[in-house]
Amino acid sequence: NAGVTQTPKFQVLKTGQSMTLQCAQDMNHEYMSWYRQDPGMGLRLIHYSVGAGITDQGEVPNGYNVSRSTTEDFPLRLLSAAPSQTSVYFCASSSRGADTQYFGPGTRLTVL
Amino acid sequence: AQSVTQPDIHITVSEGASLELRCNYSYGATPYLFWYVQSPGQGLQLLLKYFSGDTLVQGIKGFEAEFKRSQSSFNLRKPSVHWSDAAEYFCAVGALTGGGNKLTFGTGTQLKVEL
Repeated sequence: NAGVTQTPKFQVLKTGQSMTLQCAQDMNHEYMSWYRQDPGMGLRLIHYSVGAGITDQGEVPNGYNVSRSTTEDFPLRLLSAAPSQTSVYFCASSSRGADTQYFGPGTRLTVL
Repeated sequence: AQSVTQPDIHITVSEGASLELRCNYSYGATPYLFWYVQSPGQGLQLLLKYFSGDTLVQGIKGFEAEFKRSQSSFNLRKPSVHWSDAAEYFCAVGALTGGGNKLTFGTGTQLKVEL
């Protein structure tokens, strides 16, 4: 199993550009989530999904969109990037319920 | 809403010394508690977790943590630190929401190991 994969590993955007961060898992997990990590702030939840077709907002959802059309994939979209979105983004997945979340390797995004 | 406090931003210990990283949580029900470790430029790896039962939890790499409900704490310990333990450590509390487990993380403790 590859576990949780994320692409790209690094990305530089200009303010106002859009892009999609990809996340995929091959563990048949129903629960998937996106976090951003900023220095001194730990990880903060952006959006999460409890199954295909079901998504909800986390702690810091503004500026981000998600959808979940399949169990395997959970892309994160930035419609109009801002410098405040410069961060490291992690995707995670788990089985339903109070189970361990498995994290991807992260995407380091810089918005100029 | 749940919250997690890791009061120590940086900790330095000598190799071979014991280690304790502090974690305090706030949550209205029985918490699901986790410790993750992150090496530089890497993702997060689970060290251990507490869901219920025995309050002393054993994890990987020789780490253990003790859940103390009266103190709202879940401190991480290791009897003898190795240089390879240098990393950032995150405590997290999970809340079941609509079938998923939403994690709230602390701000992390950066561990430096002196040789």
